[in-house]
Amino acid sequence: AQSVAQPEDQVNVAEGNPLTVKCTYSVSGNPYLFWYVQYPNRGLQFLLKYITGDNLVKGSYGFEAEFNKSQTSFHLKKPSALVSDSALYFCAVILGGSARQLTFGSGTQLTVLP
Amino acid sequence: GAGVSQTPSNKVTEKGKYVELRCDPISGHTALYWYRQSLGQGPEFLIYFQGTGAADDSGLPNDRFFAVRPEGSVSTLKIQRTERGDSAVYLCASSPGQGYQETQYFGPGTRLLVL
Repeated sequence: AQSVAQPEDQVNVAEGNPLTVKCTYSVSGNPYLFWYVQYPNRGLQFLLKYITGDNLVKGSYGFEAEFNKSQTSFHLKKPSALVSDSALYFCAVILGGSARQLTFGSGTQLTVLP
Repeated sequence: GAGVSQTPSNKVTEKGKYVELRCDPISGHTALYWYRQSLGQGPEFLIYFQGTGAADDSGLPNDRFFAVRPEGSVSTLKIQRTERGDSAVYLCASSPGQGYQETQYFGPGTRLLVL
Protein backbone atom coordinates (compact mmCIF):
# COMPACT_ATOMS: atom_id res chain seq x y z
CA ALA A 1 0.00 0.00 0.00
CA GLN A 2 1.27 3.41 -0.94
CA SER A 3 2.07 5.51 2.15
CA VAL A 4 2.41 8.90 0.49
CA ALA A 5 1.21 10.06 -2.90
CA GLN A 6 1.96 13.09 -5.00
CA PRO A 7 -0.78 13.11 -7.63
CA GLU A 8 0.88 15.65 -9.94
CA ASP A 9 4.13 14.91 -11.74
CA GLN A 10 4.37 18.49 -12.94
CA VAL A 11 3.04 21.83 -11.71
CA ASN A 12 3.46 25.06 -13.65
CA VAL A 13 2.74 28.46 -12.15
CA ALA A 14 3.45 32.03 -13.13
CA GLU A 15 5.90 34.05 -11.09
CA GLY A 16 4.11 36.02 -8.38
CA ASN A 17 1.13 33.67 -8.28
CA PRO A 18 0.42 31.37 -5.35
CA LEU A 19 1.60 27.79 -5.69
CA THR A 20 0.36 24.50 -4.29
CA VAL A 21 2.07 21.13 -4.49
CA LYS A 22 -0.19 18.32 -3.37
CA CYS A 23 0.53 15.40 -1.08
CA THR A 24 -1.77 12.80 0.46
CA TYR A 25 -0.83 10.10 2.91
CA SER A 26 -2.07 6.77 4.09
CA VAL A 27 -0.62 5.63 7.41
CA SER A 28 -2.05 4.24 10.59
CA GLY A 29 -1.62 6.27 13.73
CA ASN A 30 -0.19 9.77 13.82
CA PRO A 31 1.77 10.67 10.70
CA TYR A 32 5.06 12.51 10.73
CA LEU A 33 5.16 14.42 7.45
CA PHE A 34 8.01 16.19 5.69
CA TRP A 35 8.67 18.25 2.58
CA TYR A 36 12.04 18.30 0.84
CA VAL A 37 13.22 20.13 -2.27
CA GLN A 38 15.83 18.90 -4.74
CA TYR A 39 17.68 21.15 -7.15
CA PRO A 40 19.47 19.61 -10.17
CA ASN A 41 22.54 17.57 -9.23
CA ARG A 42 22.12 18.39 -5.57
CA GLY A 43 20.90 16.52 -2.54
CA LEU A 44 17.60 16.97 -0.79
CA GLN A 45 17.05 20.11 1.25
CA PHE A 46 14.63 20.10 4.18
CA LEU A 47 11.75 22.59 3.94
CA LEU A 48 9.40 21.80 6.80
CA LYS A 49 7.74 19.09 8.83
CA TYR A 50 4.57 18.33 10.75
CA ILE A 51 4.87 16.36 13.96
CA THR A 52 2.05 17.63 16.14
CA GLY A 53 0.36 20.88 17.10
CA ASP A 54 -0.74 23.60 14.71
CA ASN A 55 -1.98 22.31 11.40
CA LEU A 56 -0.28 25.13 9.52
CA VAL A 57 3.48 24.65 9.45
CA LYS A 58 5.85 27.35 8.28
CA GLY A 59 9.20 26.47 6.81
CA SER A 60 12.17 27.70 4.85
CA TYR A 61 12.11 30.14 1.90
CA GLY A 62 8.54 31.29 2.60
CA PHE A 63 6.97 27.86 2.18
CA GLU A 64 4.21 26.53 4.40
CA ALA A 65 2.12 23.39 4.52
CA GLU A 66 -1.26 22.57 5.95
CA PHE A 67 -1.92 19.28 7.67
CA ASN A 68 -5.51 18.16 7.09
CA LYS A 69 -6.37 15.01 9.01
CA SER A 70 -9.85 14.54 7.56
CA GLN A 71 -8.54 14.71 4.00
CA THR A 72 -5.24 12.97 4.86
CA SER A 73 -3.36 15.69 3.04
CA PHE A 74 -0.26 17.78 3.60
CA HIS A 75 -0.14 20.24 0.69
CA LEU A 76 2.84 22.56 0.25
CA LYS A 77 2.04 26.20 -0.43
CA LYS A 78 3.65 29.55 -1.06
CA PRO A 79 1.78 32.82 -1.46
CA SER A 80 3.98 34.22 -4.24
CA ALA A 81 6.13 31.98 -6.40
CA LEU A 82 9.65 32.86 -7.55
CA VAL A 83 11.43 31.57 -10.64
CA SER A 84 14.11 30.27 -8.26
CA ASP A 85 11.50 27.99 -6.64
CA SER A 86 11.60 25.82 -9.76
CA ALA A 87 12.78 22.42 -8.55
CA LEU A 88 11.69 18.88 -7.69
CA TYR A 89 9.63 18.62 -4.52
CA PHE A 90 9.20 15.50 -2.42
CA CYS A 91 6.68 14.73 0.27
CA ALA A 92 7.76 12.09 2.78
CA VAL A 93 6.40 10.32 5.83
CA ILE A 94 7.79 8.39 8.75
CA LEU A 95 5.46 5.45 9.15
CA GLY A 96 5.62 5.31 12.92
CA GLY A 97 6.14 2.41 15.25
CA SER A 98 9.80 1.50 15.23
CA ALA A 99 10.39 2.99 11.78
CA ARG A 100 12.95 5.76 11.49
CA GLN A 101 13.32 6.00 7.73
CA LEU A 102 11.50 8.36 5.42
CA THR A 103 9.13 6.97 2.82
CA PHE A 104 9.01 9.34 -0.14
CA GLY A 105 6.43 10.19 -2.74
CA SER A 106 7.34 10.12 -6.39
CA GLY A 107 8.04 13.84 -6.56
CA THR A 108 6.50 16.85 -8.27
CA GLN A 109 8.44 19.00 -10.70
CA LEU A 110 7.55 22.64 -10.08
CA THR A 111 8.22 25.14 -12.84
CA VAL A 112 7.71 28.83 -12.16
CA LEU A 113 7.37 30.76 -15.37
CA PRO A 114 8.70 34.33 -15.57
CA GLY B 1 32.23 20.31 7.77
CA ALA B 2 28.87 21.89 8.22
CA GLY B 3 26.85 19.35 6.29
CA VAL B 4 26.79 15.74 5.18
CA SER B 5 29.48 14.97 2.66
CA GLN B 6 29.67 12.04 0.25
CA THR B 7 32.50 10.76 -1.89
CA PRO B 8 32.96 10.24 -4.71
CA SER B 9 30.41 12.52 -6.32
CA ASN B 10 30.39 10.31 -9.40
CA LYS B 11 31.47 6.73 -9.92
CA VAL B 12 31.56 4.81 -13.17
CA THR B 13 32.26 1.11 -13.00
CA GLU B 14 31.84 -2.02 -15.06
CA LYS B 15 29.35 -4.74 -14.46
CA GLY B 16 30.67 -7.25 -11.95
CA LYS B 17 33.04 -4.86 -10.19
CA TYR B 18 33.05 -3.93 -6.51
CA VAL B 19 32.41 -0.34 -5.36
CA GLU B 20 32.52 1.56 -2.10
CA LEU B 21 30.62 4.75 -1.42
CA ARG B 22 31.52 6.92 1.54
CA CYS B 23 29.37 9.13 3.77
CA ASP B 24 30.62 11.60 6.37
CA PRO B 25 27.68 12.74 8.54
CA ILE B 26 27.18 15.97 10.41
CA SER B 27 29.43 16.00 13.45
CA GLY B 28 27.68 14.63 16.51
CA HIS B 29 24.85 12.95 14.60
CA THR B 30 24.46 9.38 15.80
CA ALA B 31 21.81 8.35 13.27
CA LEU B 32 22.83 7.73 9.66
CA TYR B 33 20.71 6.61 6.72
CA TRP B 34 21.38 5.39 3.19
CA TYR B 35 18.83 5.84 0.41
CA ARG B 36 18.87 5.06 -3.30
CA GLN B 37 17.23 7.28 -5.89
CA SER B 38 16.61 5.93 -9.35
CA LEU B 39 15.90 8.25 -12.24
CA GLY B 40 12.49 9.86 -11.99
CA GLN B 41 11.68 8.37 -8.61
CA GLY B 42 11.76 9.35 -4.99
CA PRO B 43 14.54 8.08 -2.74
CA GLU B 44 14.12 4.58 -1.33
CA PHE B 45 15.42 3.52 2.04
CA LEU B 46 18.32 1.09 2.23
CA ILE B 47 19.71 0.99 5.77
CA TYR B 48 19.73 2.92 9.04
CA PHE B 49 22.51 3.07 11.63
CA GLN B 50 22.23 4.16 15.22
CA GLY B 51 25.80 4.55 16.36
CA THR B 52 27.93 1.70 15.06
CA GLY B 53 25.13 -0.80 14.59
CA ALA B 54 22.72 -1.29 11.74
CA ALA B 55 19.37 -0.82 13.43
CA ASP B 56 17.34 -1.51 10.29
CA ASP B 57 18.70 -3.00 7.06
CA SER B 58 15.34 -4.04 5.66
CA GLY B 59 15.77 -1.88 2.56
CA LEU B 60 18.91 -3.54 1.25
CA PRO B 61 17.80 -5.21 -2.00
CA ASN B 62 19.99 -8.31 -1.75
CA ASP B 63 23.18 -9.67 -0.21
CA ARG B 64 25.38 -7.85 -2.71
CA PHE B 65 24.76 -4.70 -0.70
CA PHE B 66 26.44 -4.14 2.64
CA ALA B 67 27.16 -1.11 4.81
CA VAL B 68 29.39 -0.46 7.80
CA ARG B 69 29.94 2.30 10.31
CA PRO B 70 32.75 0.96 12.50
CA GLU B 71 33.39 4.03 14.65
CA GLY B 72 29.91 5.51 14.67
CA SER B 73 30.76 8.34 12.32
CA VAL B 74 31.79 7.71 8.70
CA SER B 75 29.84 5.02 6.88
CA THR B 76 30.69 3.03 3.78
CA LEU B 77 28.14 1.43 1.48
CA LYS B 78 29.63 -1.53 -0.34
CA ILE B 79 28.23 -3.12 -3.47
CA GLN B 80 29.64 -6.40 -4.76
CA ARG B 81 29.31 -7.76 -8.30
CA THR B 82 27.62 -4.61 -9.52
CA GLU B 83 24.79 -4.87 -12.03
CA ARG B 84 23.48 -2.29 -14.48
CA GLY B 85 20.33 -2.04 -12.39
CA ASP B 86 22.41 -0.70 -9.51
CA SER B 87 22.89 2.54 -11.43
CA ALA B 88 21.32 5.29 -9.34
CA VAL B 89 22.11 8.17 -7.03
CA TYR B 90 23.00 6.96 -3.56
CA LEU B 91 22.06 9.44 -0.87
CA CYS B 92 23.24 9.57 2.70
CA ALA B 93 21.48 11.42 5.50
CA SER B 94 22.14 11.99 9.17
CA SER B 95 20.14 13.16 12.18
CA PRO B 96 20.93 13.77 15.84
CA GLY B 97 19.57 10.38 16.88
CA GLN B 98 17.34 11.63 19.69
CA GLY B 99 13.96 10.65 18.32
CA TYR B 100 12.16 9.16 15.36
CA GLN B 101 10.52 12.37 14.17
CA GLU B 102 13.67 14.38 13.82
CA THR B 103 14.82 15.99 10.59
CA GLN B 104 17.21 14.09 8.36
CA TYR B 105 19.86 16.14 6.56
CA PHE B 106 21.01 14.85 3.22
CA GLY B 107 24.32 14.87 1.44
CA PRO B 108 24.72 15.69 -2.26
CA GLY B 109 24.75 12.03 -3.23
CA THR B 110 26.99 9.73 -5.23
CA ARG B 111 25.91 9.10 -8.79
CA LEU B 112 26.77 5.50 -9.67
CA LEU B 113 26.80 4.32 -13.25
CA VAL B 114 27.35 0.65 -13.98
CA LEU B 115 28.28 -0.03 -17.59
